[in-house]
Amino acid sequence: GAGVSQTPSNKVTEKGKYVELRCDPISGHTALYWYRQSLGQGPEFLIYFQGTGAADDSGLPNDRFFAVRPEGSVSTLKIQRTERGDSAVYLCASSFGTSYEQYFGPGTRLTVT
Amino acid sequence: GENVEQHPSTLSVQEGDSAVIKCTYSDSASNYFPWYKQELGKGPQLIIDIRSNVGEKKDQRIAVTLNKTAKHFSLHITETQPEDSAVYFCAASGTELIFGTGTRLQVFP
Repeated sequence: GAGVSQTPSNKVTEKGKYVELRCDPISGHTALYWYRQSLGQGPEFLIYFQGTGAADDSGLPNDRFFAVRPEGSVSTLKIQRTERGDSAVYLCASSFGTSYEQYFGPGTRLTVT
Repeated sequence: GENVEQHPSTLSVQEGDSAVIKCTYSDSASNYFPWYKQELGKGPQLIIDIRSNVGEKKDQRIAVTLNKTAKHFSLHITETQPEDSAVYFCAASGTELIFGTGTRLQVFP
């Protein structure tokens, strides 16, 4: 079946701009996670949703980052006033529930110039 | 919070040899330990996992062992092949995954 998909695959933006990154989870998965991966590092947790609500957003680095999942399926990660330090690969994962295996998408590579 | 350490950072083996990657974790409440393989430009791919009520799990050439008392777990790959070359990450979880820093495995023909 279809895996987790993320769009765009690459995004280049200028410092100070607003960006939106989209994640389509595996059909039927109720839990959705966002991670950020810097070069040469392991993914770092940002936020996870159980259904429509953000169950844990403790990994969001500051209030420029926000994520939504209005219908409990697709999620959008929003970054305001982007900074060069936001450049990374943003990964999305989904699972049947919070006690189940997480499957990752291919990621969105964000470059802030 | 949870902290996961992973060793070695790089590992080179000859095709057919075994490879072992080790991780330690700090939070005794963690109960789920997956391993991911990541190829260049791709997202992490789940290859095997183990839960805290099990000491060992095998899937063909891949095995994972868990020592809850010592808080460490290991990935074992036998009969390595060039296509096993990738970066491998361990992780520990209560809910969100806390990842190690990765091991770059190179398998030479």
